[in-house]
Amino acid sequence: DVKVTQSSRYLVKRTGEKVFLECVQDMDHENMFWYRQDPGLGLRLIYFSYDVKMKEKGDIPEGYSVSREKKERFSLILESASTNQTSMYLCASIEGRHNTGELFFGEGSRLTVL
Amino acid sequence: AQKITQTQPGMFVQEKEAVTLDCTYDTSDPSYGLFWYKQPSSGEMIFLIYQGSYDQQNATEGRYSLNFQKARKSANLVISASQLGDSAMYFCAMRGTLDTGRRALTFGSGTRLQVQP
Repeated sequence: DVKVTQSSRYLVKRTGEKVFLECVQDMDHENMFWYRQDPGLGLRLIYFSYDVKMKEKGDIPEGYSVSREKKERFSLILESASTNQTSMYLCASIEGRHNTGELFFGEGSRLTVL
Repeated sequence: AQKITQTQPGMFVQEKEAVTLDCTYDTSDPSYGLFWYKQPSSGEMIFLIYQGSYDQQNATEGRYSLNFQKARKSANLVISASQLGDSAMYFCAMRGTLDTGRRALTFGSGTRLQVQP
């Protein structure tokens, strides 16, 4: 089975702190994604990556950056956390070949910024 | 731009009854795929069912079926014989032709289903 692992289930940070959210997948998937989930808004795409060191902005990239130095690992970085970044963050991955494929998700990281 | 609309923020259903969760979409893509995910309170996203826009038959997976009406741009999820374990958040999502490179999904706002004993 595909496994997508997010390093932290719950984090509490202070405004202005730098925050790293780590995601690792074990199925050699080319594409990886970061979404944030907010009540009433569903999931919104922050950034995605289709190869090592390749990244593209999603729909709400402001305030975030990403890093993909190895194929299995995709990190989301909040350079200076703000209270409006309090949210659930979900990492996902998919292999590159089939357009009908579903995304495989991690268990989520719930971030609170005080 | 693609858009998914789920108009039911919350729904209740009695155990063993069927329930329909609504999903409408808007896209100009000639080819697209529609997905449903379940998110229990634990937070993980569980893939339930997929429907391709050119599929001739509605998709089914066990107790889940997708009522796909292309002309109406709707892709409702039907859960038959509800169980207590079906209580969760349900998301409708789509991927269009223009998303092929991105391979990302566009999600709706979700419907919280509560199954009552």
